[in-house]
Amino acid sequence: AQTVTQSQPEMSVQEAETVTLSCTYDTSESDYYLFWYKQPPSRQMILVIRQEAYKQQNATENRFSVNFQKAAKSFSLKISDSQLGDAAMYFCARLAAGSYQLTFGKGTKLSVIP
Amino acid sequence: KAGVTQTPRYLIKTRGQQVTLSCSPISGHRSVSWYQQTPGQGLQFLFEYFSETQRNKGNFPGRFSGRQFSNSRSEMNVSTLELGDSALYLCASQRPGANVLTFGAGSRLTVL
Repeated sequence: AQTVTQSQPEMSVQEAETVTLSCTYDTSESDYYLFWYKQPPSRQMILVIRQEAYKQQNATENRFSVNFQKAAKSFSLKISDSQLGDAAMYFCARLAAGSYQLTFGKGTKLSVIP
Repeated sequence: KAGVTQTPRYLIKTRGQQVTLSCSPISGHRSVSWYQQTPGQGLQFLFEYFSETQRNKGNFPGRFSGRQFSNSRSEMNVSTLELGDSALYLCASQRPGANVLTFGAGSRLTVL
């Protein structure tokens, strides 16, 4: 089975500080996409950031950036200047190109301490 | 632009009953997929529909079924409910070639 692993069930960060969430994955495809989704207590799954595997440049969206290491099959999320609204479950996910089936990790619960 | 709409948001059923959940995708999105989220198993893929055809199904028993209508709206049905079917059911839609899924807010099913 092609899996996505998030080794940190829970993490915490002080407001305004930086935190990094880890994710590793297994895949046999050469073309795929990686995602970080955020799920706050409201349960809405919100896309945070997307990375195309064929792109070497790491994706960035405002305070969110990734460190994509294709050879190591690693895809970590860095949140800078953490805000209270960043508190949520964060899920790493993989999608094979042309597929419509996401494979999710188990999630990391992020708490932000004021 | 309206997002993915799921109804109902909450529902309570008893064992042995059946339930139907609805999902309206974003306008122009023709692919709809369903996921089950539980504390123990996490997020698991149920099935995916495109142009009224089921293209892929996850490892769930036949009690779980779905369909898609010509307007891309989708329904999923669970028959003979079991306690273990209690979960958040998420629907996601995608436009062809986009390679990104947009999720609805989910339907929270409780089976007593």
